Amino acid sequence: QSALTQPASVSGSPGQSITISCTGTSNDVGGYNFVSWYQQHPGKAPKLMIYAVNNRPSGVSNRFSGSKSGNAASLTISGLQAEDEADYYCSSYTSRSTPQYVFGTGTKVTVL
Amino acid sequence: EVQLVESGGALVQPGGSLRLSCVASGFSITNYWMTWVRQAPGKGLEWVANIRQDGGETHFGDSVKDRFIVSRDNAKNSLYLQMYSLRAEDTAVYYCARDVKAVGANDYWGPGTLVTVSS
Repeated sequence: QSALTQPASVSGSPGQSITISCTGTSNDVGGYNFVSWYQQHPGKAPKLMIYAVNNRPSGVSNRFSGSKSGNAASLTISGLQAEDEADYYCSSYTSRSTPQYVFGTGTKVTVL
Repeated sequence: EVQLVESGGALVQPGGSLRLSCVASGFSITNYWMTWVRQAPGKGLEWVANIRQDGGETHFGDSVKDRFIVSRDNAKNSLYLQMYSLRAEDTAVYYCARDVKAVGANDYWGPGTLVTVSS
């Protein structure tokens, strides 16, 4: 299955807001509201940050928000903090072949 | 506390087989779809497979279809991934994860187990 497209890197200064895009097709991001976002620090397991496009699990800071328009989803981190520096992956349900899920290519967020 | 712990990762020769296990604690897997995800060294996440609560429905990523089998033993609160015909490109850390009900996301993950396919 082809991965969803994300920018390789995004950076920002502490306190700023950044947005990570996740582009797919009508067979995945555009066709379903099953878009989620994960944060992964080096050597650690991924952590769920957003599910069903714009919902935050309990315990996740409200500085993280998600949205979707057409075949693209976005994750916005506001009030950027040092601990936000990590890799971020989007994921979506896909009906491209057999029912399954697909991850994005991943984005490295750097806090300057 | 919800925990998932994978085991079974090892060095295996190309063409070989391996079985991974994932033991859950702090919740009953009986109520959840469960998922395997892998990550090759220095690369991104790749969805591998998932399995329904009763084990009666499974789905696989295109790269592992027909080579991997996912199963579960709800009585042992455990998930398994049987891997056959292993290739160098299957080298990765394999994670098991719990599915959030009906929203297509994974809320708890294990620390992962490393599978290395090399001669």
